[in-house]
Amino acid sequence: AQSVSQHNHHVILSEAASLELGCNYSYGGTVNLFWYVQYPGQHLQLLLKYFSGDPLVKGIKGFEAEFIKSKFSFNLRKPSVQWSDTAEYFCAVLDFSGNTGKLIFGQGTTLQVKP
Amino acid sequence: EAGVAQSPRYKIIEKRQSVAFWCNPISGHATLYWYQQILGQGPKLLIQFQNNGVVDDSQLPKDRFSAERLKGVDSTLKIQPAKLEDSAVYLCASSIQGNQPQHFGDGTRLSIL
Repeated sequence: AQSVSQHNHHVILSEAASLELGCNYSYGGTVNLFWYVQYPGQHLQLLLKYFSGDPLVKGIKGFEAEFIKSKFSFNLRKPSVQWSDTAEYFCAVLDFSGNTGKLIFGQGTTLQVKP
Repeated sequence: EAGVAQSPRYKIIEKRQSVAFWCNPISGHATLYWYQQILGQGPKLLIQFQNNGVVDDSQLPKDRFSAERLKGVDSTLKIQPAKLEDSAVYLCASSIQGNQPQHFGDGTRLSIL
């Protein structure tokens, strides 16, 4: 079965610093990839998704992610973080190994941005 | 568009008691999911419905957990009896269909004493 690994559990950055959060999934084939964000006290929200096409995907709030098939990776990036980006970030892959697609989440990365 | 509605937001019970959670998905969303999110981990799928039928319940502890979506709209998840390790946030999500992005509710935070 598919699995997702997020390399960083807790990241602390100052405002205006650049961000890159790592995400790897376990095996290839057709993959649908997602990044979700959970701001404090709020529900999980979709940040961006990759289904096919251009491997560089742009999402909301200036975030982007790059799908690199050869590395089984889907890293999240933002050139300049803001205090309001403080949140928990989850990478997820849609696993088609069963009869239906199942969303498999990584363990999450907590991002703390210092003003 | 109204989001996914869940209730209650918080629940505290003692072990061996029963508890039920309710979810109303986004209107028109055929697929409904229940996830368990233990502190420090990502959400783990418990059960997936397509309309009122179960399509995946492979990770649902069926000796104590049950879920239904009788009319293909709202759903309930029940735990009976609860164990200490069931302390978690229970998330409901819905999507237009199974391979589309999922929309999540606020979750129910369950604490077992």
